[in-house]
Amino acid sequence: EIVLTQSPGTLSLSPGERATLSCRASQSVSSNSLVWYQQKPGQAPRLLIYGASTRATGIPDRFSGSGSGTDFTLTISRLEPEDFAVYYCQQCGRSPPYTFGQGTKLEI
Amino acid sequence: EVQLLESGGGLVQPGGSLRLSCAPSGFTFSNYAMTWVRQAPGKGLEWVSAISPGGNTYYADSVKGRFTISRDHSKNMLYLQMNSLRAEDTALYYCAKVQVEMSTIRYFNYWGQGTLVTVSS
Repeated sequence: EIVLTQSPGTLSLSPGERATLSCRASQSVSSNSLVWYQQKPGQAPRLLIYGASTRATGIPDRFSGSGSGTDFTLTISRLEPEDFAVYYCQQCGRSPPYTFGQGTKLEI
Repeated sequence: EVQLLESGGGLVQPGGSLRLSCAPSGFTFSNYAMTWVRQAPGKGLEWVSAISPGGNTYYADSVKGRFTISRDHSKNMLYLQMNSLRAEDTALYYCAKVQVEMSTIRYFNYWGQGTLVTVSS
C-alpha cells in the first residue's frame, strides 16, 4: 500500500503570501493518480487538482499542482482569506486502495 | 446539478450493524464508479470502499470482511453494509462519485455531506 506523507502538518501564513504544501509518496506514483482536495470546517472535501497539475472546474488559477514520482507540491500563489483550510493529497492509482495523506492545515 | 445524499447513520453498539445509503442525482449513476470515504472526529480522510459500474468491489484492509459495498441501478442507490462495528469505525461517512479519464486519471469529483456513525455502548 502506498503511504502519502504531507508536510508541514500546519502552515501559518498571512493573506497575500505564497503557500507551498508537500506530499511525498512511499513509492513512485503516476502523475495521473495524484489528487488534491481542500476541506473547510463542517464541509465535505472539495476537489482542487487532479492528474497532479490539472485544476478542477471553477478552481482559481492561484492554485497549482506539480511534481512527479514520489514528490508532489500544491502551491497557492497569493493566499486569499477563503484559502485557509485543510488540504489533502490522495493517490488514485489503477487499483485501490486510494490512500490519502494525513492533511496539512493552512492557518492564518 | 450533481447531488449525493447519504443517510442511515446513527448510534450503534460495538458488534452491531448498520446500513448506509447514498442517493445520487444529476448524473447517470450506472455509468460511474462510486466510493465511500470516512473521517473520524477531528481526523483526516480515510478511503473505505469502492464499487465499479459493473459491480466489482474494493475495500480498505481496515474494513475488509466486515463491510460490504453494493449498488442498485434500478433504485439508483449506493449502499454500505457495516457489520461487526467497532469503536474505531466511528466517523462521518461520505459517498463520492469517481471520475475516470482515459482509464488512468481518477479522482472523486463530487461528495455528499456525510452521515455520522457512532459506535459506542
